[in-house]
Amino acid sequence: GAVVSQHPSWVICKSGTSVKIECRSLDFQATTMFWYRQFPKQSLMLMATSNEGSKATYEQGVEKDKFLINHASLTLSTLTVTSAHPEDSSFYICSAPLAGGQDTQYFGPGTRLTVL
Amino acid sequence: QKEVEQDPGPLSVPEGAIVSLNCTYSNSAFQYFMWYRQYSRKGPELLMYTYSSGNKEDGRFTAQVDKSSKYISLFIRDSQPSDSATYLCAMSRRFTGGGNKLTFGTGTQLKVEL
Repeated sequence: GAVVSQHPSWVICKSGTSVKIECRSLDFQATTMFWYRQFPKQSLMLMATSNEGSKATYEQGVEKDKFLINHASLTLSTLTVTSAHPEDSSFYICSAPLAGGQDTQYFGPGTRLTVL
Repeated sequence: QKEVEQDPGPLSVPEGAIVSLNCTYSNSAFQYFMWYRQYSRKGPELLMYTYSSGNKEDGRFTAQVDKSSKYISLFIRDSQPSDSATYLCAMSRRFTGGGNKLTFGTGTQLKVEL
């Protein structure tokens, strides 16, 4: 099946710093990628849709200036958490649909962010 | 009311039991239905994908969709301890721009005991 990777798998940072998370589709191209956040024992909440070559689309309540998304190529999307605070600590997961098979998505392994 | 409702569990069953996991939804625009399995601290893994009412079988897993009742199910036969995970239902509808946004249930935590 399709493989999506994320880097780093976990990160600990100090409050006020910025953290970049990468999402890569390893064996297919993805014009669209999705970023989710998952708090403990809760479901995935869609944060934004990352579009290759254009601006990301953010869900209601998600601060676009805080969660910067860049989809620089057909295989890479990055999420930067700017000026991170402890309440941003969460599990961040990306997903990508197969091109031409828009109905199924493959998820990355997730990145656990802890902000001290 | 949430668009997708799913009992969070936890659900505990003995090894070998048949497991039934369910979700209901309220939005008739949903066209595609998926079940994902998520182990602790891992990303979700796609198990089953359906887009029409009826049953779809894959090994020990059977996905069932009833669009008239807005109800979907996942059955696991001969459950194994390795099936212990959180099972998330997900649904999508078409939107412009390519790629379908998924709406997830809360997930049901399943534990299969020896």
